[in-house]
Amino acid sequence: EIVMTQSPATLSVSPGERATLSCRASQSVSGNLAWYQQKPGQAPRLLIYGASTRATGIPARFSGSGSGTEFTLTISSLQSEDFAIYYCQQYNNWLTFGGGTKVEIK
Amino acid sequence: EVQLVASGGGLVQPGKSLRLSCAASGFTFDDYAMHWVRQAPGKGLEWVSGISWDSGTIGYADSVKGRFTISRDNAKNSLYLQMNSLTAEDTALYYCAKDIAAASLYYFDCWGQGTLVTVSS
Repeated sequence: EIVMTQSPATLSVSPGERATLSCRASQSVSGNLAWYQQKPGQAPRLLIYGASTRATGIPARFSGSGSGTEFTLTISSLQSEDFAIYYCQQYNNWLTFGGGTKVEIK
Repeated sequence: EVQLVASGGGLVQPGKSLRLSCAASGFTFDDYAMHWVRQAPGKGLEWVSGISWDSGTIGYADSVKGRFTISRDNAKNSLYLQMNSLTAEDTALYYCAKDIAAASLYYFDCWGQGTLVTVSS
């Protein structure tokens, strides 16, 4: 099973600042990585797939990068609605999620 | 509008069984693979199982392999999860989720609101 490790567990950021979230795979997943956003009491929402392609309707301030074992989700200028938990998920060898990064208001 | 409505959750004793259902609408059900994803209270997401459009590809997380069985009925636009030998570690909100592909298991572009399973004596 491929283990996905996200860091940091919690990220404190001020509105308008940049947030950088990391996701590491225990073995290469090529570019087969997705990112999701989850707000309290809601189902997750797809943000990024193929490591760097934004899903339909996702604002341009969200960007993904990386390949192999190291991936990054960047939120260029945090808006109030972006404070949430973010999960990465690999789909190269079955499916596994990372443990999540909570982005909170500083 | 895509809708995924999961049902069948509830309180069940350890060692017992439960069957979850997911009713899909708003899209051509048999054009897509489907999944179950769970989230224990206050915890992260865990992929449980997925099934391709024709049931030809099925996968399970190691934590449920041999105890859970996923199935689908394309004529009824429905997805199922038969859960046996339940333990407290299976307590979670179970989401039904739609894949972006038909024949392979990739990632999820639509999620339902989930059904809560509580395993306790």
